Amino acid sequence: ETGVTQSPTHLIKTRGQQVTLRCSSQSGHNTVSWYQQALGQGPQFIFQYYREEENGRGNFPPRFSGLQFPNYSSELNVNALELDDSALYLCASSSDWWETQYFGPGTRLLVL
Amino acid sequence: EDKVVQSPLSLVVHEGDTVTLNCSYEVTNFRSLLWYKQEKKAPTFLFMLTSSGIEKKSGRLSSILDKKELFSILNITATQTGDSAVYLCAVEPLTGANSKLTFGKGITLSVRP
Repeated sequence: ETGVTQSPTHLIKTRGQQVTLRCSSQSGHNTVSWYQQALGQGPQFIFQYYREEENGRGNFPPRFSGLQFPNYSSELNVNALELDDSALYLCASSSDWWETQYFGPGTRLLVL
Repeated sequence: EDKVVQSPLSLVVHEGDTVTLNCSYEVTNFRSLLWYKQEKKAPTFLFMLTSSGIEKKSGRLSSILDKKELFSILNITATQTGDSAVYLCAVEPLTGANSKLTFGKGITLSVRP
């Protein structure tokens, strides 16, 4: 196990709602990256946080937003949920942004 | 845009077989290529490759990178049922600012007893 934890493990929402997913990084890690993995696909980069600042963003709309806290844990917020947002959301932490990323177990989100 | 193509998308083998998983890539300013194993949920880190022609090994798993031909292979010898998983290949560009991994779709390996 990597020491990266995520909550909740599963979540069911309806279209239009908002959701917050949480990630606790491994001890000593200051960087958290978020990925979306649709069924049968590889993970897609959403954004990265390094020392509480956004440090790069993938091709996701602004309704995907995030935060990183002083203890380097992180949140992913998604507003106005759409059916296509149904996916496994993975966070990965690393000791610095250029170091190897270690993944958490993910949160499975289902949007109905 | 960075791109990773893995092949085959799935394969079924019997215990004891040797398998070779392929990954080809296009990336602006290559920094590294990574292999992960994904069972159920969390991808587990296997290898990071940065230099061409140098094999990385861990037990029955090994991987090598060819930066000229832009591909990597992951070999698994004497496969076991516990090797059944999705194997993900990802590339990391040299941005100097952040680390954005671009993944392939993954290869689903099923090892039959």
